[in-house]
Amino acid sequence: GQQVMQIPQYQHVQEGEDFTTYCNSSTTLSNIQWYKQRPGGHPVFLIQLVKSGEVKKQKRLTFQFGEAKKNSSLHITATQTTDVGTYFCALINDYKLSFGAGTTVTVRA
Amino acid sequence: EAEVAQSPRYKITEKSQAVAFWCDPISGHATLYWYRQILGQGPELLVQFQDESVVDDSQLPKDRFSAERLKGVDSTLKIQPAELGDSAMYLCASSQPDHYRGTPYEQYFGPGTRLTVT
Repeated sequence: GQQVMQIPQYQHVQEGEDFTTYCNSSTTLSNIQWYKQRPGGHPVFLIQLVKSGEVKKQKRLTFQFGEAKKNSSLHITATQTTDVGTYFCALINDYKLSFGAGTTVTVRA
Repeated sequence: EAEVAQSPRYKITEKSQAVAFWCDPISGHATLYWYRQILGQGPELLVQFQDESVVDDSQLPKDRFSAERLKGVDSTLKIQPAELGDSAMYLCASSQPDHYRGTPYEQYFGPGTRLTVT
């Protein structure tokens, strides 16, 4: 079945810096969702992207869907300690989610 | 804000024993999912219900795992017998049906049950 690869697996960021995490697929995706899981917590829905080239912003988070709908990215500006956690992208096939392995973000104060 | 409820939160059991997990989805959510999450990995779908019917259980190890949602509301996931490799977080999620929007709805996850098999 379809799978997504997330890179990097780990992201260590200095507080205040920006970073980007990527979600790549070898096949065209119908849409993609992003979730955040805090340490010891459960996944929480962040956003869904549907259209080619779509860009959505949530405060310091910017989500983008590639023009070919084969990749997606999450960019965080001015990283804060509250951004700590694992960010998962999930592709949707027949309304089932297939999660990537996630990017685990740690923040140095 | 409505939440998905799961119990127990933690379970320690010996291998070959039976365990059961319970999930109560958000009221009105017709679709219910059970996931298994191994430490350091993303959740993996085990079974999906639409109301009381199983929509997908292709990844459910049916020789030892079973799931039911008899009245289309709450659900139980059972493992019998438990094996060491079953140690993981078991997450339940629910979502609204997608029939009238055309795109999948977001899934709401419960706090999970962390299972340790010794």
